[in-house]
Amino acid sequence: ILNVEQSPQSLHVQEGDSTNFTCSFPSSNFYALHWYRWETAKSPEALFVMTLNGDEKKKGRISATLNTKEGYSYLYIKGSQPEDSATYLCAFRDSGGYQKVTFGTGTKLQVIP
Amino acid sequence: GAGVSQSPSNKVTEKGKDVELRCDPISGHTALYWYRQSLGQGLEFLIYFQGNSAPDKSGLPSDRFSAERTGGSVSTLTIQRTQQEDSAVYLCASSLRAGTGPLNQPQHFGDGTRLSIL
Repeated sequence: ILNVEQSPQSLHVQEGDSTNFTCSFPSSNFYALHWYRWETAKSPEALFVMTLNGDEKKKGRISATLNTKEGYSYLYIKGSQPEDSATYLCAFRDSGGYQKVTFGTGTKLQVIP
Repeated sequence: GAGVSQSPSNKVTEKGKDVELRCDPISGHTALYWYRQSLGQGLEFLIYFQGNSAPDKSGLPSDRFSAERTGGSVSTLTIQRTQQEDSAVYLCASSLRAGTGPLNQPQHFGDGTRLSIL
């Protein structure tokens, strides 16, 4: 069983604050890392697909970095807005077999107006 | 429709009854996944289909759970003799097979079926 961990489990930030959270995954058999945003009562939505060590991706105020050698990825949100409130999931794709995807337990972000 | 479609969106049933959940993936997506999220828990993998075959059923929690896929398209997840601990949101996702087209397709999720066992 692969260990994909996210921290913190939840956090509350004030509107306008910047924040970041972590996804830790196995440093061996890396194929890709995906980030998803999951808003309440909606389906998870893909944010980023990251494949190369040192990758940095950006979408508006949200960006992510990847370190495959040490097995972590950071997601950053600059100037948080209430609409950023959601659970952020990372998913590790294994290079073996059928490239199985293992999801972390998520970081639940609440942005307080 | 363009997205992954799941039905029903909500299902309330009595303990001991059988339920069937349906997933209609995006056309052309050969990979299909079932997950569930129980209250306060993360996303739990249940089963993976590639085409009509299921090379990974390792997440099915008991023999009361089964799934099939026909025509490389629609999938049904069946839970027999439901128990209260089966209450959860059941999510289906589909993607192109890894290595097909652009590298590393993300999964596209349906809106889920919220299952409540009384």
